Amino acid sequence: EAQVTQNPRYLITVTGKKLTVTCSQNMNHEYMSWYRQDPGLGLRQIYYSMNVEVTDKGDVPEGYKVSRKEKRNFPLILESPSPNQTSLYFCASSPWTARGNTEAFFGQGTRLTVV
Amino acid sequence: EDQVTQSPEALRLQEGESSSLNCSYTVSGLRGLFWYRQDPGKGPEFLFTLYSAGEEKEKERLKATLTKKESFLHITAPKPEDSATYLCAVQARNSGNTPLVFGKGTRLSVIA
Repeated sequence: EAQVTQNPRYLITVTGKKLTVTCSQNMNHEYMSWYRQDPGLGLRQIYYSMNVEVTDKGDVPEGYKVSRKEKRNFPLILESPSPNQTSLYFCASSPWTARGNTEAFFGQGTRLTVV
Repeated sequence: EDQVTQSPEALRLQEGESSSLNCSYTVSGLRGLFWYRQDPGKGPEFLFTLYSAGEEKEKERLKATLTKKESFLHITAPKPEDSATYLCAVQARNSGNTPLVFGKGTRLSVIA
């Protein structure tokens, strides 16, 4: 089954404690990205990656890191989480064609609370 | 700066009452416009991609259309199971990589 898998689904952590949210896709997609979704602000892109070892900042990259060492995995790293990073996070993947992005598949989300 | 504005923020319809959702956008050359559906607590689910003005796509009770400044998602004879938040996103055409920019969504409620 084609899917994007995020872990964990729920996470409560304390300020400053490094954490990683994993994302894996089984569709051999080139393009992967991370979003955060906050009430009243909608989905905002954090980072995206066009392929292995190629990453770029989205609209809200501050406080986040990513890596793309393998095509299927795109972890999101919070080196020193702060309460303003409390949010619902989504990972997505899609094929990249001559027309750009096509259908994107989203994971089920990770609800992060930083206290 | 690329922007997407969706209206209305919320829409309440009776079952069978057709309507349209609007997505206005400003982008420095459109590569693609996307429609997604999102149910509470779940990730967005892809509906359509539109690439050029005049293009239309249909899926069951949904039809998406595109002009140079906006897109409409028409819902014909909606059912309660169509209740969800509908998201619009754009991607700019650029020589390099460009991020997706999402609107804040329209929350649709269909009442039986």
